[in-house]
Amino acid sequence: EIVLTQSPTTMAASPGEKVTLNCLASSSVSYMNWYQQKSGASPKLWIYGTSNLASGVPNRFSGSGSGTSYSLTISSMEAEDVATYYCLQLSSYPLTFGSGTKLEIK
Amino acid sequence: EVQLVESGGGLVQPGRSLKLSCLASGFTFSNYGMNWIRQAPGKGLEWVASISSSSSYIYYADTVKGRFTISRDNAKNTLYLQMTSLRSEDTALYYCARHRAVRGFDYWGQGVMVTVSS
Repeated sequence: EIVLTQSPTTMAASPGEKVTLNCLASSSVSYMNWYQQKSGASPKLWIYGTSNLASGVPNRFSGSGSGTSYSLTISSMEAEDVATYYCLQLSSYPLTFGSGTKLEIK
Repeated sequence: EVQLVESGGGLVQPGRSLKLSCLASGFTFSNYGMNWIRQAPGKGLEWVASISSSSSYIYYADTVKGRFTISRDNAKNTLYLQMTSLRSEDTALYYCARHRAVRGFDYWGQGVMVTVSS
């Protein structure tokens, strides 16, 4: 089983601040997907294939990485970005999610 | 518009069974793999099971293997999860999600709550 470790677990950023969320895989994966989940809502596909933004995702978001190390970056934090972000690997079964990073605003 | 609507949840005693359904609309259901994902209260996401478009390939998480069965009826545009020998640790919000190649789980339902308690 590929274990995904997300860091940090929780973070708070100021409006306009650059934010980087990390996802480390225990074994190499082909690509990484990211999901955004706001409180009380279903998760939404946010980034797929490591760096492709899902429909409607603002271009202040970006994704990068390869092998075992991936990241989601927000170039300039906005209030609407408050959410929990999960990484997901689809390279091998069992499919696994990271434990999530809760992003708050200062 | 793609819609996934789960149903069948509720309160059930440990050791009993429950069957969840997910009615799909707005896309050609028989062309897509489907998944169940769950989220325990206050916890993260856990993949539960996957089924390919024609039911040829089925996978389960170790935590549910031998107890849960995923299936689908393409004529009824419906995905199922038969859950047996339920445990307290199965208490969660269960989501169905469409699987689209590299995009992975691109559409999710609103979820259905399953509570296992005596």
